[in-house]
Amino acid sequence: EVQLVESGGGLVQRGGSLRLSCKASGFTFSSYWMHWVRQVPGKGLVWVSRINGDGTTTTDADSVKGRFTISRDNAQNTLFLQMDSLEVEDTAVYHCAREIKYSKSNEVGRYFDQWGQGTLVTVSS
Amino acid sequence: DIQMTQSPSSLSASVGDRVTIACRASQSIGIYLNWYQLKPGKAPKLLIYGASSLYSGVPPRFSGSGSGTDFSLTITGLQREDFATYYCQQSYTIPRTFGQGTKVEIK
Repeated sequence: EVQLVESGGGLVQRGGSLRLSCKASGFTFSSYWMHWVRQVPGKGLVWVSRINGDGTTTTDADSVKGRFTISRDNAQNTLFLQMDSLEVEDTAVYHCAREIKYSKSNEVGRYFDQWGQGTLVTVSS
Repeated sequence: DIQMTQSPSSLSASVGDRVTIACRASQSIGIYLNWYQLKPGKAPKLLIYGASSLYSGVPPRFSGSGSGTDFSLTITGLQREDFATYYCQQSYTIPRTFGQGTKVEIK
């Protein structure tokens, strides 16, 4: 059974740091792009960051660029998000998600097929 | 960034109703459109990918349509377990962007 379990959230003051983890099981972790997506309380889903299977390519949302760093340890089947210089606006539930590539009508698309339940990050002022 | 706009932001419906949620992209995204269901404290669930393909294990009362900039999700015969928030998401480009969500509530 595919599982993604996040941990590492908590309460932190503005300017502080947290490191989130996402432990994967039930699939060949190194074969997939992995993403972080956050859900702001009372608001919607916002994409944060992504990393390719071998960890050599990453992309971040503009809102977190230079402050957050995504990484992975394929030997431990674990995805990370190092969050520095945290701002109140970073308060959210952070989900990790696996991205799948598919072919349809001669096009190649992508979707998030597996998500974790999320870990809550609260940044106080 | 591609902006995704959903309507309505919330709706009230009864068990057995037919419900349609609209999603509009700020530029053409072909069929690179996915739909997810969110319930409080749970992991999001994929319902529809590629605008109209039903994901494995999702009941056939869920359906999706559209291409280019205009898309919709329809639930035919709303069940109690369908009361949740629904999000569209484009996978045409990075950053992946989501609609603001549509909360489906019990009337």
